[in-house]
Amino acid sequence: GDSVTQMEGPVTLSEEAFLTINCTYTATGYPSLFWYVQYPGEGLQLLLKATKADDKGSNKGFEATYRKETTSFHLEKGSVQVSDSAVYFCALTNTGGFKTIFGAGTRLFVKA
Amino acid sequence: EAGVTQFPSHSVIEKGQTVTLRCDPISGHDNLYWYRRVMGKEIKFLLHFVKESKQDESGMPNNRFLAERTGGTYSTLKVQPAELEDSGVYFCASSHDRVRGYTFGSGTRLTVV
Repeated sequence: GDSVTQMEGPVTLSEEAFLTINCTYTATGYPSLFWYVQYPGEGLQLLLKATKADDKGSNKGFEATYRKETTSFHLEKGSVQVSDSAVYFCALTNTGGFKTIFGAGTRLFVKA
Repeated sequence: EAGVTQFPSHSVIEKGQTVTLRCDPISGHDNLYWYRRVMGKEIKFLLHFVKESKQDESGMPNNRFLAERTGGTYSTLKVQPAELEDSGVYFCASSHDRVRGYTFGSGTRLTVV
C-alpha cells in the first residue's frame, strides 16, 4: 500500500541555518504531496503542497519539489528561525481517493 | 472563515469508561475525516465522511469506536469502552476536495488511565 517515510528527528539547528527534512513516498498512480506543520499546542496546518511531478510548493520561506523519478518531496528552508520550531509531517493523497497517508513526523528545534 | 473546532481539547478517563469527541468542520465542507496519532507515531486515518455518509471507515480499529455525522454537519467519535491503547491525539479535518489539502482542528488529547 501507499506509504510515506521521513527522516527521524529531532533535528536541532541554530538560527539562520539551512534546513532539509527528507521525505520519500511509495504510491501507485500520481499522488498529491503535502507538508503539514504542527506548532506547539496547536493543530496541524497545511504548509505547502504539490499536485504533479516537478511542481514546487512554497510558503513562509519553505520549499519542496515533487520529484517523481526519486519519489521524493524534501522540505527545505534557507534560513530557519526560532519560530520554525515545530513538528513537520510529509503526506500524500492518492488519485481516486481522499485518504491522506502521513509520515511519522520530524520534530525541529531551532536554537537562538 | 471559522476553522475546524474540536472539543474537548483534553480528556482523561479511566479504562472501561466512555468518551465522546466532537468535531465541527468548516461550513460547506462535505468531507470530514478523523485521524489519530498514538505515542508520537504516524498520524493514522480512521474514517472519512461525505456529508452524513461514511465513505471509508477502513481505519477504525475495532467496534469499540463509533463515528456519526448527523445531518452532514458536526461529527462525533465515541469510544466505548475505552482501553489504555486508545490514548493519543484524535484529529478531525475537513476539506472541499482532495487536491487542496485538509484543514485540521487542534485535536483532542485522550488519556486512558
